[in-house]
Amino acid sequence: DADVTQTPRNRITKTGKRIMLECSQTKGHDRMYWYRQDPGLGLRLIYYSFDVKDINKGEISDGYSVSRQAQAKFSLSLESAIPNQTALYFCATSGQSRETQYFGPGTRLLVL
Amino acid sequence: QKEVEQDPGPLSVPEGAIVSLNCTYSNSAFQYFMWYRQYSRKGPELLMYTYSSGNKEDGRFTAQVDKSSKYISLFIRDSQPSDSATYLCAMSAYSNYQLIWGAGTKLIIKP
Repeated sequence: DADVTQTPRNRITKTGKRIMLECSQTKGHDRMYWYRQDPGLGLRLIYYSFDVKDINKGEISDGYSVSRQAQAKFSLSLESAIPNQTALYFCATSGQSRETQYFGPGTRLLVL
Repeated sequence: QKEVEQDPGPLSVPEGAIVSLNCTYSNSAFQYFMWYRQYSRKGPELLMYTYSSGNKEDGRFTAQVDKSSKYISLFIRDSQPSDSATYLCAMSAYSNYQLIWGAGTKLIIKP
């Protein structure tokens, strides 16, 4: 079984809809991250959490919110989706070392 | 200007060639330098990392950091078709756990 799982893997939604992307991990890591990946822009950090009670905004948090339900679960919500949120979204986890982040398989989101 | 610049490619080379992938950066506070590899429709995975300056070798892969020029490189020797992927550089400062990513270079190794 994969250490970091994301659901759904693909999602098509309409402008204005609320959508939630979920991430679960079995690595026992405290730190979890949400990124989006756009062609030519690389990975950009949306939110990160160093433990259940610690949630921080990343580079591009506007229009997004997160929930850390447990050590193993970190969800990303788009309250009112817009077309420029069309992207590939990745969840990642890490232990104490910053250099090694373990990524999930990604969620491909299309907002019409 | 982005903090980390990376040529998106694609870079296409024949099997067996030596490949050089590069990133430049502007923040002199960066101390941690990583290379991740991303296969199509997969998440990135850590390939190599170095702390501060110098070289690091792991099999066919060598990572180099030149802090005076704010330039990092990844060399792949005896390249194989299985090396075809997108290579992303990432870096961070000592005091900040956030990674700053390059856009990624798509590498194609032709058999």
